[in-house]
Amino acid sequence: DAGITQSPRHKVTETGTPVTLRCHQTENHRYMYWYRQDPGHGLRLIHYSYGVKDTDKGEVSDGYSVSRSKTEDFLLTLESATSSQTSVYFCAISDDRGLFYNEQFFGPGTRLTVL
Amino acid sequence: KQEVTQIPAALSVPEGENLVLNCSFTDSAIYNLQWFRQDPGKGLTSLLLIQSSQREQTSGRLNASLDKSSGRSTLYIAASQPGDSATYLCAVFIIQGAQKLVFGQGTRLTINP
Repeated sequence: DAGITQSPRHKVTETGTPVTLRCHQTENHRYMYWYRQDPGHGLRLIHYSYGVKDTDKGEVSDGYSVSRSKTEDFLLTLESATSSQTSVYFCAISDDRGLFYNEQFFGPGTRLTVL
Repeated sequence: KQEVTQIPAALSVPEGENLVLNCSFTDSAIYNLQWFRQDPGKGLTSLLLIQSSQREQTSGRLNASLDKSSGRSTLYIAASQPGDSATYLCAVFIIQGAQKLVFGQGTRLTINP
């Protein structure tokens, strides 16, 4: 298994509070991604990173920010959590062998509940 | 906009059968297609990756095919086992604004002993 950990694995928080999820990898891969998985919507990209301090938005980025200060860590922050952000969040990584070879490996997920 | 569809949404078969899972996508401008399995409450496990120039990939009892021109992929599972029970997801890798995987909704597979 690819060396990807996510923390926390479960979190319950209240509307309006800030929340930060962490993804940590030991593979030294260049690309890191945050997806959310929701019934009826499947998995959708929130943000991704193509290097230290290089990030870009995905299709559902509103209400989320990210930071990557080290190759191994990619943080996802909900500045002011809302109930619509209740979801399971997955981090993924891929190396830099080229777009056709981009194989993504996923972490175990974080289940976030916003009350 | 790329859309990925998986049919059927659920499938139940007896142990030992060979089976095929289907995936279709609307835009042939993909870099690759990846099949995953997801067990309940768990993350995604990558099964196979097929580059857009390839026709198929094999890993053990799994064989995935890709017909990019028709927008279709199939995952063939030979001699199914109860341990194969899981949700199977296909995803295409594209650049549409961001570089990303676009996922289907998955097929929930149950193998009955």
